Amino acid sequence: EPEVTQTPSHQVTQMGQEVILRCVPISNHLYFYWYRQILGQKVEFLVSFYNNEISEKSEIFDDQFSVERPDGSNFTLKIRSTKLEDSAMYFCASSEMLAGGFFGPGTRLTVL
Amino acid sequence: GNSVTQMEGPVTLSEEAFLTINCTYTATGYPSLFWYVQYPGEGLQLLLKATKADDKGSNKGFEATYRKETTSFHLEKGSVQVSDSAVYFCALRGEETSGSRLTFGEGTQLTVNP
Repeated sequence: EPEVTQTPSHQVTQMGQEVILRCVPISNHLYFYWYRQILGQKVEFLVSFYNNEISEKSEIFDDQFSVERPDGSNFTLKIRSTKLEDSAMYFCASSEMLAGGFFGPGTRLTVL
Repeated sequence: GNSVTQMEGPVTLSEEAFLTINCTYTATGYPSLFWYVQYPGEGLQLLLKATKADDKGSNKGFEATYRKETTSFHLEKGSVQVSDSAVYFCALRGEETSGSRLTFGEGTQLTVNP
């Protein structure tokens, strides 16, 4: 069964450092997403990506964040100058049309 | 904007009990509705979905019916098992674009005791 994969599973970084979270979406999907879940809180939308560009972003997704699809398979989220409040579980998802989205297992980001 | 409200948790049940987790939504038009489940230490798994009014989504003994008149999508299961212990999230996707974001509810922690 096809699945979304994410690496690393856990990333620890110092405040102010840059991190790149990686995702491999399901191969025939067209839409890609990043969500985050701060511990004990609801899952929040960050950004969606379609046809090699951002199609929608939330108010959380400010200049600190960027996304890229560097090749035909990977989808990355870069967080520049991380802050303590960026500590969360980050989920990548992909979908076809009219689908809810298949989520990856997540990357737990810990900013110290 | 779109929003999803779930019943407050946590919910604790005995094995074989009947489960209902309430979910109501606010959205224009006809959104698509979803239930996701998150087992301890894992990511989100799509449990079931419904894309139009009066549709019933079902999977693994769980069911939910898309009720436009009450803007609800309550999750039910007739007989829960210990293995159903997880966090359940109700979510919607607006009808404006098919690839648009999911809006999640707060999540409901379910614990099933033997």
